[in-house]
Amino acid sequence: QTVVTQEPSLTVSPGGTVTLTCASSTGAVTSGYYPNWFQQKPGQAPRALIYSTSNKHSWTPARFSGSLLGGRAALTLSGVQPEDEAEYYCLLYYGGAQVFGGGTKLTVL
Amino acid sequence: EVQLVQSGAEVKKPGESLKISCKGSGYSFSSYWIGWVRQMPGKGLEWMGIIYPGDSDTRYSPSFQGQVTISADKSISTAYLQWSSLKASDTAMYYCARLTPYSGYPYFDYWGQGTLVTVSS
Repeated sequence: QTVVTQEPSLTVSPGGTVTLTCASSTGAVTSGYYPNWFQQKPGQAPRALIYSTSNKHSWTPARFSGSLLGGRAALTLSGVQPEDEAEYYCLLYYGGAQVFGGGTKLTVL
Repeated sequence: EVQLVQSGAEVKKPGESLKISCKGSGYSFSSYWIGWVRQMPGKGLEWMGIIYPGDSDTRYSPSFQGQVTISADKSISTAYLQWSSLKASDTAMYYCARLTPYSGYPYFDYWGQGTLVTVSS
């Protein structure tokens, strides 16, 4: 069974920078896994942020960026705002199906 | 404006059947994939499967294959998720979302508001 692993929780100060990562049990994450990133706040549906590693949706704030880092997919938030406090999920492609990571709870403190 | 509107909350007993819906508007429904995602209470997101309404091409997660059925009726721009015999462990929020075709793999963009399914005796 394929497992996608994210940091369970991270804390960042307002205005700071934080990087969330997404690892695959099958090995290094490459662009062929088409990493997606989503934000979910309590009581809300998920919101898409990044697709295919680094592409932003029209509504994605400029402070969010996606990349590959050390064999993992990464989501970097630069200049964090209080409203960025949320759960973040990555999603990887495995030949016909996709698998979500367990999520990272980001606290802005 | 792209919208996905899901059917309302359901309360069912174990063993009962259920079909929930997701109606798309504001775009060409047949030309985009629809995906279903489960979120059990207090837990993370789980990819269940996707369907292309244009030709009903359907892909399932191995975890959900045989447990649910995904279908679509392009004539009324609606996708469905159904169970033939519900279990208490099916209690969850279910989201539908649109996937846009892309050179690599379709990507999620717009999401429905979710349908809460509660299964309890």
